[in-house]
Amino acid sequence: QVQLVESGGSVVQPGRSLRLSCAASGFTFNRYAIHWVRQAPGKGLEWVAVIWDDATNKYYADSVKGRFTISRDNSENTVYLEINSLRVEDTAVYYCAREGYCSGGACYSSEHDPLDRWGQGTLVTVSS
Amino acid sequence: IQLTQSPSSLSASVGDRVTITCRASQGITSHLAWYQQRPGRAPKLLIYAASTLQGGVPSRFSGSGSGTDFTLTISSLQPEDFATYFCQQLSTYPYTFGQGTMLEIK
Repeated sequence: QVQLVESGGSVVQPGRSLRLSCAASGFTFNRYAIHWVRQAPGKGLEWVAVIWDDATNKYYADSVKGRFTISRDNSENTVYLEINSLRVEDTAVYYCAREGYCSGGACYSSEHDPLDRWGQGTLVTVSS
Repeated sequence: IQLTQSPSSLSASVGDRVTITCRASQGITSHLAWYQQRPGRAPKLLIYAASTLQGGVPSRFSGSGSGTDFTLTISSLQPEDFATYFCQQLSTYPYTFGQGTMLEIK
């Protein structure tokens, strides 16, 4: 079955760096764009970044542009989120999610599709 | 593109019909999805393309709208529906979310 598993979250000091991973299984990984979405404690969802299936395009939220880098390794079915110069306000659960949908026994992925499968999230806490 | 959900919170009873609205700051055609999130859990896709029900989601959930104004309706609330609901626009990057609507038991 489709599975996305995030890892790499931890407690880190402000200004440090961290790399999160999102390991995928159960679907043809290199056909899907993958997003990162975060949620600060007690707050709503904030879209963070996306990387297209072939990594030709990457987009970021204004709040993280220049500090976050999204990448993927299609041979390892994994997406990464490199976070530099961590700030207290980066404290959140970070989710990865697949862009696509399934209907009538077939699955699809193209621009403007929803986030149909999510991982369980990994917690990043930035604190001195 | 900013999304404004209303109300921010809502108290209702089992069996009630509830409607949540999501307004976009500019037109997004039908590129809108709705998600449900229970405490401590990842979001779950309910509706995409404004009105298409995700597989496995009960038919008491429905979505409508296009352009800038959208609604999520639950026709008859069940105990498991008490959760927080988010809309998301998938028209233009960054793919923004609404601030959420917390649905509580009255």
